[in-house]
Amino acid sequence: IAGITQAPTSQILAAGRRMTLRCTQDMRHNAMYWYRQDLGLGLRLIHYSNTAGTTGKGEVPDGYSVSRANTDDFPLTLASAVPSQTSVYFCASSDSSSENTGELFFGEGSRLTVL
Amino acid sequence: GQNIDQPTEMTATEGAIVQINCTYQTSGFNGLFWYQQHAGEAPTFLSYNVLDGLEEKGRFSSFLSRSKGYSYLLLKELQMKDSASYLCAVFNSNYQLIWGAGTKLIIKP
Repeated sequence: IAGITQAPTSQILAAGRRMTLRCTQDMRHNAMYWYRQDLGLGLRLIHYSNTAGTTGKGEVPDGYSVSRANTDDFPLTLASAVPSQTSVYFCASSDSSSENTGELFFGEGSRLTVL
Repeated sequence: GQNIDQPTEMTATEGAIVQINCTYQTSGFNGLFWYQQHAGEAPTFLSYNVLDGLEEKGRFSSFLSRSKGYSYLLLKELQMKDSASYLCAVFNSNYQLIWGAGTKLIIKP
């Protein structure tokens, strides 16, 4: 693989269930992000990680958790899914070194429907 | 608050030129990005501006005026494959990336 991979690409989930969206990158980027994208709204940051071992809350963190055990993986967990979490989720990474613009590289997205 | 404003939708004709505007109000500024997103796909990077002026990259150009909090993306010689959403995003003083809702560009033959 080259780039950033998300799984699953699509999932229908019953409310109250736990769900983990997986994200893996092979570019050795230090920073990783989880966004949700809803119609008519800009991308909204859920959680981020500037480097392995650290995470931070974004704009809409409630109901979500993340971990960053190593450089490559950044899973997003919904502990107890609710219908308002129906969305398209994008994982992204960036090389935030000074030589770089901070351009984001996105995964293909995970479409989640919570019923 | 912080916000990015861009038109919701624009229509243009194949072969023509279109300008997509973006205005921003953010707490500080450390650069502005344009991304392209085809329906059902991931956003992909188009351009980055941190200084005032025009950056040209093939058929696409991006302009920035920091004093006016304004940018535009100019697409020339439009092709059907340019039908997509165009997302404007700004790094604020904390290097948080603030996103606009995107402009859906429809290209007609």
